[in-house]
Amino acid sequence: EAGVTQFPSHSVIEKGQTVTLRCDPISGHDNLYWYRRVMGKEIKFLLHFVKESKQDESGMPNNRFLAERTGGTYSTLKVQPAELEDSGVYFCASSLPPWRGVAQDPNTEAFFGQGTRLTVV
Amino acid sequence: ELKVEQNPLFLSMQEGKNYTIYCNYSTTSDRLYWYRQDPGKSLESLFVLLSNGAVKQEGRLMASLDTKARLSTLHITAAVHDLSATYFCAVDIETSGSRLTFGEGTQLTVNP
Repeated sequence: EAGVTQFPSHSVIEKGQTVTLRCDPISGHDNLYWYRRVMGKEIKFLLHFVKESKQDESGMPNNRFLAERTGGTYSTLKVQPAELEDSGVYFCASSLPPWRGVAQDPNTEAFFGQGTRLTVV
Repeated sequence: ELKVEQNPLFLSMQEGKNYTIYCNYSTTSDRLYWYRQDPGKSLESLFVLLSNGAVKQEGRLMASLDTKARLSTLHITAAVHDLSATYFCAVDIETSGSRLTFGEGTQLTVNP
């Protein structure tokens, strides 16, 4: 079974450019989350989709960030225009119901992708 | 605002030694998670701790939770090189929906 996959694995762009990150959740997972880790700090929540709807986008840092999940399948996170402080690792996770259950239980656990390392120069 | 603090942030240890990583959090929590990340890989769920006094063990790792002290520990017994990775604790509270609040991570290096 395919896990959560993210593209690209690494992106280097210049300040002011646009970058789009993609996340393909596990098939059938209605819940999709974006997180990011900046400068080796803690991993911070960005937003949560339930199917194609934004359930919680309170972690989005500013309006330069736009997340979409058309059709409730894959999701994209666009940064436009990118700034230096946007550099970091962007993680995506997916789960069946919202994860509040027990690890190792595939019915409730959230599964993370490998992350996209974004470098803005 | 919920805050989660881990220490140490960097840990270098020799094979065969024991050590403990600490995770403190600032608000009453429903669940505490421990994750492992290898470089360039996804976060792998290690443990979910659901109640005060919960203790879980898997191989050389043992996690415990004290909800009164708002503290979780991840104890490493007789470390081996394969345990080298970054370990994160994360907390969720019901009022935050499904959002996890993570600590900064502990980068563990086990030297031969």
